Amino acid sequence: AQSVTQLDSQVPVFEEAPVELRCNYSSSVSVYLFWYVQYPNQGLQLLLKYLSGSTLVKGINGFEAEFNKSQTSFHLRKPSVHISDTAEYFCAVSSSQGGSEKLVFGKGTKLTVNP
Amino acid sequence: DAGVIQSPRHEVTEMGQEVTLRCKPISGHNSLFWYRQTMMRGLELLIYFNNNVPIDDSGMPEDRFSAKMPNASFSTLKIQPSEPRDSAVYFCASRTTQGRLETQYFGPGTRLLVL
Repeated sequence: AQSVTQLDSQVPVFEEAPVELRCNYSSSVSVYLFWYVQYPNQGLQLLLKYLSGSTLVKGINGFEAEFNKSQTSFHLRKPSVHISDTAEYFCAVSSSQGGSEKLVFGKGTKLTVNP
Repeated sequence: DAGVIQSPRHEVTEMGQEVTLRCKPISGHNSLFWYRQTMMRGLELLIYFNNNVPIDDSGMPEDRFSAKMPNASFSTLKIQPSEPRDSAVYFCASRTTQGRLETQYFGPGTRLLVL
């Protein structure tokens, strides 16, 4: 079974500052990793995903994440945030072994970008 | 494409009443997922279907919950009888299984309040 820990439940930052949202996972098998964003009163939208290959993954809206297998982490970063990035961000993991399609989500990190 | 469609968007009911949530997946998608989101437990997978067949319902909390997918374009999640602790946002998501772990696309959710 897999599990995900998002270390920060809330992250306040100022506009144009860099941000890092932390995600650690636990799994006995190799995994696929995802970051989703949820804007207020909306469903989840995929930001980026790591399946294999380069450990640095670029997503939409200027976000990127780095897969670190030794540290079992998949932290999300953006060099300069905007007010519009205010949302809740979810890290998720899935087994890369065939036959398992379930996503396990972390509890989420609320990012608030202040002017 | 209209995306995943869920109805109703909001539901307020009294304890003991039957509640039916509806989902129309994206056309051509053959996997459908039902999730529940609460402050305490985060985002939990309740059940998912492949080609209209339930694959894993281990997340369904108890017998009061049931889900059906009579055809490729429609699914329901029913709670009977409803209880206040069922209050949550329920999301439906769909994806195709044609590719390598294709992205799940989420609907806007149904916000359920059981009084």
